Amino acid sequence: NAGVTQTPKFQVLKTGQSMTLQCAQDMNHEYMSWYRQDPGMGLRLIHYSVGAGITDQGEVPNGYNVSRSTTEDFPLRLLSAAPSQTSVYFCASSYLVKNTEAFFGQGTRLTVV
Amino acid sequence: TQLLEQSPQFLSIQEGENLTVYCNSSSVFSSLQWYRQEPGEGPVLLVTVVTGGEVKKLKRLTFQFGDARKDSSLHITAAQPGDTGLYLCAVYSGAGSYQLTFGKGTKLSVIP
Repeated sequence: NAGVTQTPKFQVLKTGQSMTLQCAQDMNHEYMSWYRQDPGMGLRLIHYSVGAGITDQGEVPNGYNVSRSTTEDFPLRLLSAAPSQTSVYFCASSYLVKNTEAFFGQGTRLTVV
Repeated sequence: TQLLEQSPQFLSIQEGENLTVYCNSSSVFSSLQWYRQEPGEGPVLLVTVVTGGEVKKLKRLTFQFGDARKDSSLHITAAQPGDTGLYLCAVYSGAGSYQLTFGKGTKLSVIP
C-alpha cells in the first residue's frame, strides 16, 4: 500500500526560488493537510483541504499556496523561498470522520540558503 | 498560547526502566490521540482515547485520558531501544473539528 507519498525527500533552494512539494494519497481521503516541523516548535498546520476545490489556511500560511484539483493530490507551492522556510514538511490525509486516524507521508526536508 | 503542553521535552533512560510522559491543557477535548514519530519518518497513530478516565493498553504502553478530558498520560513499562522516538499528543480542533493540533512532543531515547 502506497498510503501518502511525498516528493522530493530532500531539496535545497536558493533564496527567492520557487518550488512545489508534491503530495499524493491513494486512500480516497477527503481531508488533506500540510504541516511544517521545526525543532522545539512541533508540527504546525500550514494549509488544509476538505475536498477537491476547497482549501483553507492553517496556523502558518504566509509564503505558501495550495490547490486541490483532485481528491488524490495536494501540492504545496513556495512562491519565493526564504531561509525562514527551512524546515521538514509533512503531508497528511484522513477521512472526514470524528476522531479519525491521520496518515502522514515521510516528509520533505527543505533547506533554503 | 500552546493548546497542548507536553512534558518532559526530553527523556533519556536505560533499557528496562519505566517512564511516564504527560500531555496537559486547560481546554476540554472530546478525544485525544497519541502518535509516535521515528527519525526520518512521519508520525504514526498509537491510540485514540475518547472517554474521561479511559485507560488503553498497547503491549507495554498504557494510555490514560484524564477524568476531566483535559490531560493524558503515556506510561511505558520496561522500555526497549525500539521505543526510541518522538511522542506527540494531538487533538482535533478548529471550526470544522478536522484540524489536528499537536503538542511539541517528548523526545525519548532508550539506551541499551
